[in-house]
Amino acid sequence: GQQLNQSPQSMFIQEGEDVSMNCTSSSIFNTWLWYKQDPGEGPVLLIALYKAGELTSNGRLTAQFGITRKDSFLNISASIPSDVGIYFCAGQRSNFGNEKLTFGTGTRLTIIP
Amino acid sequence: SQTIHQWPATLVQPVGSPLSLECTVEGTSNPNLYWYRQAAGRGLQLLFYSVGIGQISSEVPQNLSASRPQDRQFILSSKKLLLSDSGFYLCAWIGTNTEAFFGQGTRLTVV
Repeated sequence: GQQLNQSPQSMFIQEGEDVSMNCTSSSIFNTWLWYKQDPGEGPVLLIALYKAGELTSNGRLTAQFGITRKDSFLNISASIPSDVGIYFCAGQRSNFGNEKLTFGTGTRLTIIP
Repeated sequence: SQTIHQWPATLVQPVGSPLSLECTVEGTSNPNLYWYRQAAGRGLQLLFYSVGIGQISSEVPQNLSASRPQDRQFILSSKKLLLSDSGFYLCAWIGTNTEAFFGQGTRLTVV
């Protein structure tokens, strides 16, 4: 099935640095979601975006719904050790919950001591 | 509030043995339910989804099957496990706002 292209695949940063990752698609999505997965756990929703151009924050996290509706970005400011994990984007073509989500391939974030 | 339960958390099964993973949802009715598989260090692969009792859609041909015997129950099964069935299995519920909520996952190791 289709997958979203997520980059970078992995990131190695120092504590306190800012992080940026993005997700792109060849087709339009009307909903973009960002998830974080800790080892051995299910993904947890971070931010949901429903409108092109929308910019939404959740604490140190900020995500944007690209104006073309084919991409989305997630930024993390002033990273801390608990930010370590895998970040997934997900898209859905409709704004209703009766269509399956398409997930990105994930970005693994590692903080170097 | 809605919660999703998935069990068992870990499972080690021999090749050729059967499998049954269960997922239940509380706090909502007629949910859309999904089974995903995640290989080590990889993304999420959609296996099955269900929009109602007895309604199953399969995304990829494989050694697994799914059933929806009750409104809030979704079961992933196999008659004979293969080594390649090892992975992290996640059940998810997607609400009307398209936000997916995941269970804690089942780590399956086929030996």
